[in-house]
Amino acid sequence: DQQVKQNSPSLSVQEGRISILNCDYTNSMFDYFLWYKKYPAEGPTFLISISSIKDKNEDGRFTVFLNKSAKHLSLHIVPSQPGDSAVYFCAASELSAGNMLTFGGGTRLMVKP
Amino acid sequence: GAGVSQSPRYKVAKRGQDVALRCDPISGHVSLFWYQQALGQGPEFLTYFQNEAQLDKSGLPSDRFFAERPEGSVSTLKIQRTQQEDSAVYLCASSLGGQGNGYTFGSGTRLTVV
Repeated sequence: DQQVKQNSPSLSVQEGRISILNCDYTNSMFDYFLWYKKYPAEGPTFLISISSIKDKNEDGRFTVFLNKSAKHLSLHIVPSQPGDSAVYFCAASELSAGNMLTFGGGTRLMVKP
Repeated sequence: GAGVSQSPRYKVAKRGQDVALRCDPISGHVSLFWYQQALGQGPEFLTYFQNEAQLDKSGLPSDRFFAERPEGSVSTLKIQRTQQEDSAVYLCASSLGGQGNGYTFGSGTRLTVV
């Protein structure tokens, strides 16, 4: 039973355009959501997060949107750059579970020059 | 060091062999986590320490898996009698604790059981 799902295994975008990565979750107890970026042979690195009391959080070129009623979040990258090419993982946690994260399966983003 | 350090980076084990994977967290980080990442999948939670206390081990797949953090810093994940299905990248992460900006992950140990 996958509680966090990323239904698109891959996404290809032209440099300068917007990249939109999507994530769905089923556990209504999740109250904190994060995006991680992973390059080959490296561990995931934290990118951006959002609390369930918000519906948007922005950090430079990266914006995360949360739609609690739909149990859906998305990561927007604009403008996309070739260095953004990586695997992106969505993750969720609930305060009562400590700091344990439940990850989605990842989306491989390829930004073409 | 500045980051989370894991060793070895790669480990090939024969089926039935015992292995030990080491994690050096960021100094001062209270929380330490182990995750297992199978090929093409996202990381899956194994176990969680707060200082030396193992607060959650619900993700350990079997009693062949054992983790410890005796002095509240370095942690070791031990897998006994390895099986082919144990082949994965084992990721360690540490954090200051609390629901904050996520963890800092190490680069992982890629375990291949042959």
